[in-house]
Amino acid sequence: AQSVTQLGSHVSVSEGALVLLRCNYSSSVPPYLFWYVQYPNQGLQLLLKYTSAATLVKGINGFEAEFKKSETSFHLTKPSAHMSDAAEYFCAVSDQGGKLIFGQGTTLQVKP
Amino acid sequence: KAGVTQTPRYLIKTRGQQVTLSCSPISGHRSVSWYQQTPGQGLQFLFEYFSETQRNKGNFPGRFSGRQFSNSRSEMNVSTLELGDSALYLCASSSDRGLEGNTIYFGEGSWLTVV
Repeated sequence: AQSVTQLGSHVSVSEGALVLLRCNYSSSVPPYLFWYVQYPNQGLQLLLKYTSAATLVKGINGFEAEFKKSETSFHLTKPSAHMSDAAEYFCAVSDQGGKLIFGQGTTLQVKP
Repeated sequence: KAGVTQTPRYLIKTRGQQVTLSCSPISGHRSVSWYQQTPGQGLQFLFEYFSETQRNKGNFPGRFSGRQFSNSRSEMNVSTLELGDSALYLCASSSDRGLEGNTIYFGEGSWLTVV
């Protein structure tokens, strides 16, 4: 069965610092991987999606993620954090039926 | 292009009652799925509909049901509400039926509180 694990339920960075949110996946087949962001009292917004076309995936709002098969990882990064990046971030894998299996989420706090 | 629209956004129900939540997918999208989000269980898949047929179902009791109409709009119903049903219910749509790798777009969600 496919699954994702997000390491760290809470990450705190200073404004302008590098953001690194970790996601490891488990899949017996090449996975389709996603990152979503959820702002307070809102739904999920798609940040980016990995479909095997390229290992480095660029998303919205300056985020990107790198697929590393050898490490079964799909970590999300942003070079410089903004206050507006404070939110909860979810990594997800798509199963063969198309449903998303989510990690437990990582809350990103950005300190001024 | 309008996104996924869910109504109502907030509602409070009493244990034992039932509730119906509505979802309008992105124009042209024919697949609608529902997810439940709670602090304890996180995001869990409820079911997916395509062309008015349930294509996939998660591990939820039969009290949770849904349907899809010919215009792709969907409703989900929860009967005999329990306190543990308090959650954010997210509707999502995609352009095609449940296929691995489909991009799924989410609505703002319906916040259900059961008292």
